[in-house]
Amino acid sequence: QSALTQPPSASGSPGQSVTISCAGTSSDVGAYNFVSWYQQHPGKVPKLLIFEVNKRPSGVPDRFSGSKSGNTASLTVSGLQAEDEADYYCSAHGGSNNFYVFGTGTKVSVL
Amino acid sequence: EVQLVESGGGLVQPGGSLRLSCVASGFSLSSYEINWVRQAPGKGLEWLSYNYVDGSPPKYANSVKGRITASRDNPRNSLFLQMSSLTADDSATYYCAREMLACGGDCYDLWGQGILVTVSS
Repeated sequence: QSALTQPPSASGSPGQSVTISCAGTSSDVGAYNFVSWYQQHPGKVPKLLIFEVNKRPSGVPDRFSGSKSGNTASLTVSGLQAEDEADYYCSAHGGSNNFYVFGTGTKVSVL
Repeated sequence: EVQLVESGGGLVQPGGSLRLSCVASGFSLSSYEINWVRQAPGKGLEWLSYNYVDGSPPKYANSVKGRITASRDNPRNSLFLQMSSLTADDSATYYCAREMLACGGDCYDLWGQGILVTVSS
């Protein structure tokens, strides 16, 4: 049950945009529109940012957006702010063989 | 207050067993699917178990299948995770996480604060 592949780190200056990729396979990311993204600050509980590829829960700023192309999903953070500095994880549904799987995580730094 | 609270963690010897609890307050657990997720120190998130509302057999990650058993007690608004044959690799913070309603799946909108399990002699 392999984790989805994310870049270990990403960075940007305040006000810029950063995009994080989440590479899966045709059995998970590519198979279903069930991709979510979570933000986790150090010592804190993960927070849901995006679900079903591109939907935002109530209260999540529209600076956060999600998309998917083939077997790769992406999270874009626009207008970077200092408080966006955190770890970000994707997750996906992988069917009966790989029910849910998380990505390896990306540490976003705001320069 | 709507929350999930885990308990039952602590220090356990290699080869030992542990039973974690997750108690819901402010909402009825019987209306939600609940997942168990863990995070080893300094590492990423790992999904462990998905628990159906209707009592269907839980889903488990291949990495722990056969060593963990999840169950729920809806009248007590509680969920449990029984773990056995523990090794150092099982040392982690364990979270229960609620699946958001009106979501097709894989969207945890409420997490417990986490409970630390340390496997060591």
